[in-house]
Amino acid sequence: AQKVTQAQTEISVVEKEDVTLDCVYETRDTTYYLFWYKQPPSGELVFLIRRNSFDEQNEISGRYSWNFQKSTSSFNFTITASQVVDSAVYFCALSGITGGGNKLTFGTGTQLKVEL
Amino acid sequence: GAGVSQSPSNKVTEKGKDVELRCDPISGHTALYWYRQRLGQGLEFLIYFQGNSAPDKSGLPSDRFSAERTGESVSTLTIQRTQQEDSAVYLCASSLAGQGSYTQYFGPGTRLTVL
Repeated sequence: AQKVTQAQTEISVVEKEDVTLDCVYETRDTTYYLFWYKQPPSGELVFLIRRNSFDEQNEISGRYSWNFQKSTSSFNFTITASQVVDSAVYFCALSGITGGGNKLTFGTGTQLKVEL
Repeated sequence: GAGVSQSPSNKVTEKGKDVELRCDPISGHTALYWYRQRLGQGLEFLIYFQGNSAPDKSGLPSDRFSAERTGESVSTLTIQRTQQEDSAVYLCASSLAGQGSYTQYFGPGTRLTVL
């Protein structure tokens, strides 16, 4: 079965601090896809990134960066110089053949609070 | 272009009543998904439609839940004889196709409260 674990329930930081959100996954598939979504207080899930299991290159997009390590089954998300607007719940998700090839398996989310 | 839209945004109902939730996917997206998010929880998969194929209903929690989709357009999720444990946000998503490699884009959700 597929599983995504986000052990950090809530993180509070002061603006401009760097913060890393952890994501650990379990799957028997060799081909799978990992995602991060942001859910601001408005409630709508906003897509941030998708990675496939064959691409372990880290990715940077502005203040956001992602570290994918198959050896530890982790796909961690770092926000550099956090801002109040980054306050949201962040979900890590996984799709793969075992899970039906299409449905996403979500972690329970990490609530990030960025304070002035 | 327009994103996924859902209606109503909020629904309050009494226990035992039936409710219908609507989802309009992104135009051209052949795959459509329903998820449920209970308060403080992650999203649980409910059902998936891909083109004219039989839907994957493996996530529906009981036979009180059903969903329909007409072609590659609108979908409705129906909950019959609602119970208080059905209170949640129901989220719809669509993707270009049904393979796991395609990104799912989510609507704003319908917040259902069963009194």
